[in-house]
Amino acid sequence: GQQLNQSPQSMFIQEGEDVSMNCTSSSIFNTWLWYKQDPGEGPVLLIALYKAGELTSNGRLTAQFGITRKDSFLNISASIPSDVGIYFCAGQTFNQGGKLIFGQGTELSVKP
Amino acid sequence: KAGVTQTPRYLIKTRGQQVTLSCSPISGHRSVSWYQQTPGQGLQFLFEYFSETQRNKGNFPGRFSGRQFSNSRSEMNVSTLELGDSALYLCASMRGPLNTGELFFGEGSRLTVL
Repeated sequence: GQQLNQSPQSMFIQEGEDVSMNCTSSSIFNTWLWYKQDPGEGPVLLIALYKAGELTSNGRLTAQFGITRKDSFLNISASIPSDVGIYFCAGQTFNQGGKLIFGQGTELSVKP
Repeated sequence: KAGVTQTPRYLIKTRGQQVTLSCSPISGHRSVSWYQQTPGQGLQFLFEYFSETQRNKGNFPGRFSGRQFSNSRSEMNVSTLELGDSALYLCASMRGPLNTGELFFGEGSRLTVL
């Protein structure tokens, strides 16, 4: 079945540093999405990407849909303590509605 | 606007029992999806319902089932519980029928099977 390889698995950074994480797949996706999950909460959508090559920003977050449709990255600039959490990439193939394939997550820790 | 509401938030069952979890989507959202989250397997898709019909199904055994009502509320049921069914069960809603993948998740129902 489809799998997403997300890296790194965890990151420990200093407040103010930039962060980069990525996902790769052996299959093509039509949509790439990035979610963040805080402890005791469900994942929250950060960014959605719909076109190969698309680069989208949401505040300090920037994500790109890889040109091959098999990868995506998420950058966080000038990290702050509230960025702590688990970040998930997710891919959706055509006409699959709410069926997403999720990566294993990147756990981000920010030291003040 | 109220978010996705899941009940109960926590529950403990024993092997062999069955459990029903409930999900109320965001008002106006017609698609409801269910996911299982475990430390080992991560987030795994169970099934999706749209307009009371199962639209997609993941690779879970038949012990896992669901349904959707005319008001878009959804329930999932797990019969003959096994220890490995211990997990956080997340419900997510989407406006639908557009296949945007933009899911809004609830806080989840944490099931412990003893």
